[in-house]
Amino acid sequence: QQPVQSPQAVILREGEDAVINCSSSKALYSVHWYRQKHGEAPVFLMILLKGGEQKGHEKISASFNEKKQQSSLYLTASQLSYSGTYFCGTAGGVDGGSNYKLTFGKGTLLTVNP
Amino acid sequence: EAQVTQNPRYLITVTGKKLTVTCSQNMNHEYMSWYRQDPGLGLRQIYYSMNVEVTDKGDVPEGYKVSRKEKRNFPLILESPSPNQTSLYFCASSFGQGSYEQYFGPGTRLTVT
Repeated sequence: QQPVQSPQAVILREGEDAVINCSSSKALYSVHWYRQKHGEAPVFLMILLKGGEQKGHEKISASFNEKKQQSSLYLTASQLSYSGTYFCGTAGGVDGGSNYKLTFGKGTLLTVNP
Repeated sequence: EAQVTQNPRYLITVTGKKLTVTCSQNMNHEYMSWYRQDPGLGLRQIYYSMNVEVTDKGDVPEGYKVSRKEKRNFPLILESPSPNQTSLYFCASSFGQGSYEQYFGPGTRLTVT
């Protein structure tokens, strides 16, 4: 079953913050975040593993609440280049191989305006 | 240049005519995968491969076949395409062995009439 992402779409002005949530109905071992710009292939942002620390990537960070089976992606002081569709991918396996069997959410369209 | 390549990039075909979409990577990655992307549905994994001769089903494997005879290549085969397989297809690869970052190819837009 696909994880549920919220919101489906969000519009920001440059410099504003946003949070994208990813929720699963099954136990998770890892959550993977990707960004896809219009007409391009998805690009990896980060992965959060069960028992791991919160990750950060410049002004983009993420958290993983294993008990709630949820992850959140935080975008601070957004830039025009942040525009795109954000996908979370979840994996429920406890072994390394199963972390490659990913189920993605339907995506969150983020638009950053000047 | 390190990359994942797919061919063809665009394909229009008819129902029932067998086709193959090729995927190749030059990064010596162990892991490769195929996804389809449809409006409103996001990315859905079709098949993945942990290494040569090791493949496994993703969430939507019906109507597709794959093979991994060489480390660098992972072709997607549609034996008898149907209109519901009209989609944008992405191939991806990763180092594996605990490295999960996937590098995606440019995509193949397939239309089945």
